[in-house]
Amino acid sequence: NAGVTQTPKFQVLKTGQSMTLQCAQDMNHNSMYWYRQDPGMGLRLIYYSASEGTTDKGEVPNGYNVSRLNKREFSLRLESAAPSQTSVYFCASTIARGDTQYFGPGTRLTVL
Amino acid sequence: QKEVEQNSGPLSVPEGAIASLNCTYSDRGSQSFFWYRQYSGKSPELIMSIYSNGDKEDGRFTAQLNKASQYVSLLIRDSQPSDSATYLCAVNIRKRADSWGKLQFGAGTQVVVTP
Repeated sequence: NAGVTQTPKFQVLKTGQSMTLQCAQDMNHNSMYWYRQDPGMGLRLIYYSASEGTTDKGEVPNGYNVSRLNKREFSLRLESAAPSQTSVYFCASTIARGDTQYFGPGTRLTVL
Repeated sequence: QKEVEQNSGPLSVPEGAIASLNCTYSDRGSQSFFWYRQYSGKSPELIMSIYSNGDKEDGRFTAQLNKASQYVSLLIRDSQPSDSATYLCAVNIRKRADSWGKLQFGAGTQVVVTP
């Protein structure tokens, strides 16, 4: 039981490049989330998926898109990376809304 | 006013002492409260969840919730160097009926346990 997995662990992009961050969970959770964490800012919600087939914006969605591919997988796409998107990205999942969220190991992204 | 506020620290605690962390929140309708621990370079991991007023104990950790005063606290007894980490308070903020399930995190309190 791997829990929540994320790929890649590290990534360096040039401004304007695109990439997709992958997240998968094997806990049969319904809801999945993408956060970014910046020094002194705490965790901020980018997008979430309350259940398979639905997605919704969080606090800081600009510059990102998401896809809930199936119940297990939730991907985050940066279409045209900007230096302001340099951050640590965490995926999380929960069995039910309002319940404990479990986090993946994170992706450390640097945009030059 | 931030929705979830914590002192950033660092909170320096001698080994064996009690560390006391506080968190205040703005939404009176919040029902779920969580404390996460995050080691440097790692992801947050759940320590405690609390849903009702009062105290909840788990090993050396005690969470305290006071909904009337809108604060939740975490006590760490017999602090160990391995407790040195950033502690994140998370509150389920429910501005509207459809916002259920979105956690709002505080910026975290850094705890340093000194031998």
